[in-house]
Amino acid sequence: AQSVSQHNHHVILSEAASLELGCNYSYGGTVNLFWYVQYPGQHLQLLLKYFSGDPLVKGIKGFEAEFIKSKFSFNLRKPSVQWSDTAEYFCAVRVDKLSFGAGTTVTVRA
Amino acid sequence: GAGVSQSPSNKVTEKGKDVELRCDPISGHTALYWYRQSLGQGLEFLIYFQGNSAPDKSGLPSDRFSAERTGGSVSTLTIQRTQQEDSAVYLCASSPVGAYSYEQYFGPGTRLTVT
Repeated sequence: AQSVSQHNHHVILSEAASLELGCNYSYGGTVNLFWYVQYPGQHLQLLLKYFSGDPLVKGIKGFEAEFIKSKFSFNLRKPSVQWSDTAEYFCAVRVDKLSFGAGTTVTVRA
Repeated sequence: GAGVSQSPSNKVTEKGKDVELRCDPISGHTALYWYRQSLGQGLEFLIYFQGNSAPDKSGLPSDRFSAERTGGSVSTLTIQRTQQEDSAVYLCASSPVGAYSYEQYFGPGTRLTVT
């Protein structure tokens, strides 16, 4: 069965710092990849997704993610975070069903 | 426009009681999903409805869990004889197209607490 691993449970950083959240998955075939975000008190929403083509995908709010097939990874990045990026971030991988990682809580200090 | 709505937002129930959780998907969305989010864990897939097809129930953790979708719209997740380990946030999502690869729009969830 496929699995999704997010390396960091909780990340704390200051505004303007760079952010990178790791995501690895276990399936070796064709996958679709997603990052979802849940801001405090809000619904889960899609940040970005990868289906095919350019492995560097750009999402909303300045986020991007890079698909590295050889490493089974889909890490999320943002060069300069803001206080409003405080949220929980979930990586998800679709083979047949959508499988989610455990999530990473990001706290940005003003 | 209106998003996915779920009710109730919070439910506290005693162990052994049955509960029903409701999901209203976005109008026109043919696919509907239920997930469970337990503390410190990711979202666990429970069940998937697509149009008139037989639902994919492969994620339901036990036969105490069941779900139906009436008229291709509203869905109800029922948990019978609740146990403390059922305590979690139950999330519903819908998408305009079947197949899991399309973006899913999530509701606010129902927080279930079994005492």
